Amino acid sequence: AQSVAQPEDQVNVAEGNPLTVKCTYSVSGNPYLFWYVQYPNRGLQFLLKYITGDNLVKGSYGFEAEFNKSQTSFHLKKPSALVSDSALYFCAVRGEGGGNKLTFGTGTQLKVEL
Amino acid sequence: DAGVIQSPRHEVTEMGQEVTLRCKPISGHNSLFWYRQTMMRGLELLIYFNNNVPIDDSGMPEDRFSAKMPNASFSTLKIQPSEPRDSAVYFCASRSLPGTGGDLDYGYTFGSGTRLTVV
Repeated sequence: AQSVAQPEDQVNVAEGNPLTVKCTYSVSGNPYLFWYVQYPNRGLQFLLKYITGDNLVKGSYGFEAEFNKSQTSFHLKKPSALVSDSALYFCAVRGEGGGNKLTFGTGTQLKVEL
Repeated sequence: DAGVIQSPRHEVTEMGQEVTLRCKPISGHNSLFWYRQTMMRGLELLIYFNNNVPIDDSGMPEDRFSAKMPNASFSTLKIQPSEPRDSAVYFCASRSLPGTGGDLDYGYTFGSGTRLTVV
């Protein structure tokens, strides 16, 4: 079975500071990893993905994520946070043997304050 | 493309009533997913279809829930009878299956959701 863990329910960051939202996963075979963002009363929006290749992937709105196979992690990062980044962030994984099913973490609420 | 379209956006119903949620996937997408989001349980996959065929319904809570996809452009999720614990936001998402052309991102496109309140 595939699973995702987001150990922090909430992350608070001051605007301008770097942010990290943590994610670890468990799958059979090579993982396909994703980050999504959800703003209030909206659906999930795709941010970035890792399928293969460079371990550092860049996505929308200045976000990036680093795939670490030995630590089975895919942490989301941004060098300088904005108040407008405040939202709910979901990590998701699909394994090679996981069919078409994408498994989501429980989400991390990011709050960026002035 | 208008994206994944869900209706209604909000639904308030009384316990025991039948509720039908609707989803129109992105044209050309051949895989469709129904998710439920609650504070307590997060985002749960209820069921998904490939080429209009249900593949995995293990997440459907119980027999009160049913989903259909009569054609490539329409799906419904029905709850009968509804209960207060069914109150949640229900999301539909779609994607193209790998190897079938179109979107190769392997990710999903989500609709805006239906907020269901059962009183």
